[in-house]
Amino acid sequence: GIQVEQSPPDLILQEGANSTLRCNFSDSVNNLQWFHQNPWGQLINLFYIPSGTKQNGRLSATTVATERYSLLYISSSQTTDSGVYFCAVGASGAGSYQLTFGKGTKLSVIP
Amino acid sequence: EPEVTQTPSHQVTQMGQEVILRCVPISNHLYFYWYRQILGQKVEFLVSFYNNEISEKSEIFDDQFSVERPDGSNFTLKIRSTKLEDSAMYFCASSITPNTEAFFGQGTRLTVV
Repeated sequence: GIQVEQSPPDLILQEGANSTLRCNFSDSVNNLQWFHQNPWGQLINLFYIPSGTKQNGRLSATTVATERYSLLYISSSQTTDSGVYFCAVGASGAGSYQLTFGKGTKLSVIP
Repeated sequence: EPEVTQTPSHQVTQMGQEVILRCVPISNHLYFYWYRQILGQKVEFLVSFYNNEISEKSEIFDDQFSVERPDGSNFTLKIRSTKLEDSAMYFCASSITPNTEAFFGQGTRLTVV
């Protein structure tokens, strides 16, 4: 099946700093989503971005499908940004319905 | 804003007991999913469901598990004879099609003792 690698696994930032999280995937995809898992365990949708660039406030994401990677940018980080960020992909091909998740990037933003 | 809702938020059960986890997907969505996340690990796909039948399942989804859409709104995951290793957060999700954005519920934390 498709492989999803996220980097870095852990990241510690000072409040106000910027960061870039990376997601590499091993095959063609027709779905790519970024999630934030908060301390209560909820998966919060950040972006649905199988290709192109999107922005939402301090967060933006870019997916270069032909090169099989996606980037999540967090600017002016806040303590509430802490948590685990997951990339999940849906592989192209008939009959594939699942999202395959990476292991996540654990972000800690300190005051 | 429409959302996927799951009940209960936390369930504790004794090993060997049966549990039913419940989900109400977003009303105009046609595809439904269950995922699980063992503590500290990544989220894993269990099963997808469309048109009242399973469309895809992982190797985790063995005979111990079953899914059902008992009425027009609910979607359930049944785990027969629970094991300690079934302890995990279980997420329900739904989407309009397999290639569109999937929305996840808040999860049910299952603890098997």
